[in-house]
Amino acid sequence: GQQLNQSPQSMFIQEGEDVSMNCTSSSIFNTWLWYKQDPGEGPVLLIALYKAGELTSNGRLTAQFGITRKDSFLNISASIPSDVGIYFCAGQLFTGNQFYFGTGTSLTVIP
Amino acid sequence: DGGITQSPKYLFRKEGQNVTLSCEQNLNHDAMYWYRQDPGQGLRLIYYSQIVNDFQKGDIAEGYSVSREKKESFPLTVTSAQKNPTAFYLCASRMRGTYLFGPGTRLTVL
Repeated sequence: GQQLNQSPQSMFIQEGEDVSMNCTSSSIFNTWLWYKQDPGEGPVLLIALYKAGELTSNGRLTAQFGITRKDSFLNISASIPSDVGIYFCAGQLFTGNQFYFGTGTSLTVIP
Repeated sequence: DGGITQSPKYLFRKEGQNVTLSCEQNLNHDAMYWYRQDPGQGLRLIYYSQIVNDFQKGDIAEGYSVSREKKESFPLTVTSAQKNPTAFYLCASRMRGTYLFGPGTRLTVL
């Protein structure tokens, strides 16, 4: 199936630092979604993007839909301990209904 | 509140037994999905259904079966043919550009 390359795979940061992660694909997408998953729980939708170049915020989180339609970025500002978890991207191809998922970025915040 | 529920949260099964995982949604979403998640790995699609009484195999359907008799329900049966069923199972539903997950069921085979 379609693969999304998500990087980095893991991050260890100090509390208060900013975080950046991204997802890239070789195909064009018309939707990008970003999720956070806590251990033993289902992924929770953080931000949805539907338009190339779109920049959307949710509190300290900001995500962007790349202008090439082949990538998306998630930034977390001033990280706090509860930001710990795995962050997933998901994209929907320009043609078709199915979503494809990145392998996740594991974030550890050191107090 | 609309959402997706999965039950049970934890499930233990003896080898050779079939077991059914429940997934219910009250979001009026047409499409529903089942994924398997193993430690350190991404989501792998087992089965999906875009409409009642119709479903399609995903990437790893062997050893699993599903039904979609009602729009709000999409149960997954893990059969004894599944060689390595211990995993975290996630149900999801989709409507237009929104894709939401349930809380998951952790299945352990003893």
